[in-house]
Amino acid sequence: DAGITQSPRHKVTETGTPVTLRCHQTENHRYMYWYRQDPGHGLRLIHYSYGVKDTDKGEVSDGYSVSRSKTEDFLLTLESATSSQTSVYFCAMGERNTEAFFGQGTRLTVV
Amino acid sequence: AQTVTQSQPEMSVQEAETVTLSCTYDTSESDYYLFWYKQPPSRQMILVIRQEAYKQQNATENRFSVNFQKAAKSFSLKISDSQLGDAAMYFCAYRSDNTDKLIFGTGTRLQVFP
Repeated sequence: DAGITQSPRHKVTETGTPVTLRCHQTENHRYMYWYRQDPGHGLRLIHYSYGVKDTDKGEVSDGYSVSRSKTEDFLLTLESATSSQTSVYFCAMGERNTEAFFGQGTRLTVV
Repeated sequence: AQTVTQSQPEMSVQEAETVTLSCTYDTSESDYYLFWYKQPPSRQMILVIRQEAYKQQNATENRFSVNFQKAAKSFSLKISDSQLGDAAMYFCAYRSDNTDKLIFGTGTRLQVFP
């Protein structure tokens, strides 16, 4: 969506390597979210942020960490990638009491 | 913890007909927001409609309307006069007014036949 971008859009990595996905927004929205999308599971929340340096875990946070040092950037890190983390990852942003706006998604393959 | 359940993995409808997608949720909160998102093959997430829990009136957006039953914790989406472009994955979502955590159901794939 306009105002929010994810990078990279596609990535192939090897098992055991660290991976960082970046979400960048230009709307100065307070809230940011990371999800993974897998067939049959819908979108599952990994972590979310409610301000700079303020983050909380979602339902599938094991194996993932996040950082938000600036309002505009929300980073998702896989410390040691596993094949079970092969997925499509979505970032989203929003303000209080509004809908969320989504990035285009990142397809990550762990081989 | 809140949960969102979509019990229909797939639905189909004839063009110009009406279809209803089901969504139920579980929460102990009294204030929250509910959404329906559409995801076409492009993977883009598009907001279809939103509902504030404190509003009794059901939200409508052109051909899209919801049936919000707060006591039953049900939030179904009705699509009238279905069009081929409505074919997509539809996700129901819940946003906590307390934590602003946003969670989704597993989705319903809608097929539209000419």
